[in-house]
This record gives sequence, structure tokens and C-alpha cells, in this order.
Amino acid sequence: AQSVTQLDSQVPVFEEAPVELRCNYSSSVSVYLFWYVQYPNQGLQLLLKYLSGSTLVKGINGFEAEFNKSQTSFHLRKPSVHISDTAEYFCAVRANTNAGKSTFGDGTTLTVKP
Amino acid sequence: EAGVAQSPRYKIIEKRQSVAFWCNPISGHATLYWYQQILGQGPKLLIQFQNNGVVDDSQLPKDRFSAERLKGVDSTLKIQPAKLEDSAVYLCASSKLQGNTGELFFGEGSRLTVL
Repeated sequence: AQSVTQLDSQVPVFEEAPVELRCNYSSSVSVYLFWYVQYPNQGLQLLLKYLSGSTLVKGINGFEAEFNKSQTSFHLRKPSVHISDTAEYFCAVRANTNAGKSTFGDGTTLTVKP
Repeated sequence: EAGVAQSPRYKIIEKRQSVAFWCNPISGHATLYWYQQILGQGPKLLIQFQNNGVVDDSQLPKDRFSAERLKGVDSTLKIQPAKLEDSAVYLCASSKLQGNTGELFFGEGSRLTVL
């Protein structure tokens, strides 16, 4: 079994400030980790993913995330946010087995204020 | 490359009525998923298909929900009879099978309101 906990349900931040969205996971097997973004009235789209190798992964729109195996965390960061980054962000984990299913956290609403 | 297509985008029904949602995945994607996303929560997997077969339907309320994937392409999710708590966005997603690293491609969702 696997689970994902997003530690903040809402994160308000001013434009051009840095932001960190926190994600912890648990799993009994090795996993792949993902961050997805959901804009209003749209489906989810992939921001970035960790499969193996370097623990720091870079994604689209200037986002990056760091995999920490000992702390079972995969926090998402951006050094300077824009108004257009306002959206819902979901952390997800998937067992790295064939046909493994993805489990999502409950999301973090990022609101960027001018 | 066309994305995952879903219809209808919005549906309002009375409780105890039935509803069906349709999904056309990205061409060549062997795996198809239906997720339920209740307001304020993350997507919850209802059913996963691999080609024609069901891989996981452990969270599908089988007394009222059914899903099929004919010919390993399109899929339909049906709810009959609907309950108030079925109000949610139903997301369809697909992924490759070969070399699958787990990235999901989502449609825009079908928003169901049960009155």
C-alpha cells in the first residue's frame, strides 16, 4: 500500500517570492514520484517526475523538486513565482512495477498575490 | 498528437437517475484510468484498464458504477442509480505500456452534479 500527504492545503504567497509545497509519502516498495498541476476547469498536467538518479529534478515553468529517501519526502520549489502559477498542485506516487497505480495527495492550492 | 478526450464536460442529474461518461485516450496508450475527484480532494482511482482487461477495480462501487473498454480503445463509465455523494469530477487518464514510467495524461474531466 502507498499513501501521500501534502502538508499544506493552501499556500498564499506574493509575486516574485519563493515557494515550497511539501509532500511526504509512504510505500512498502520502490516508487516513482510526480508533481502535477491543475488549472481551473482543466485536467492535471505533469510538472516533473523522479524516476531514479539525481535527487534534484527540474520541471516545466521553473519548478524543481528534491527527492529525500530518508525523509520520504518530495518537496516542490520555485525561487520566484508568477501570478500565472496560481493553481492546484498534486503530489503523486506510483510503485515502479508494471501496471502500478498512482496515488495522489489531496492537493495544495497555491495562490500568488500581486 | 491529440490529447485525452472526454465528454460531456458537464452533467446535472437528479439522484437515482443514470449517467454515462465517455473517454478516448491518446492513440497507442494501452492503459486507461478513471479517477473520481471530489471537491477539495485529490483524484481517487476507480478503475484501471490495460488494453481490454481490468487491472484494478478495487475502489469501484460495483453496486452502482460500471465501466468498460471496448476493443482496448474508448471507455465508458456509467453510474446507475446516482447518489448525492457521486457529485464530483470524473477524470480519464491514459499512459503508455511499453517503457511506462508512470506518467499519466489526463483529459479535462466530466463534472457531475447530482441534485
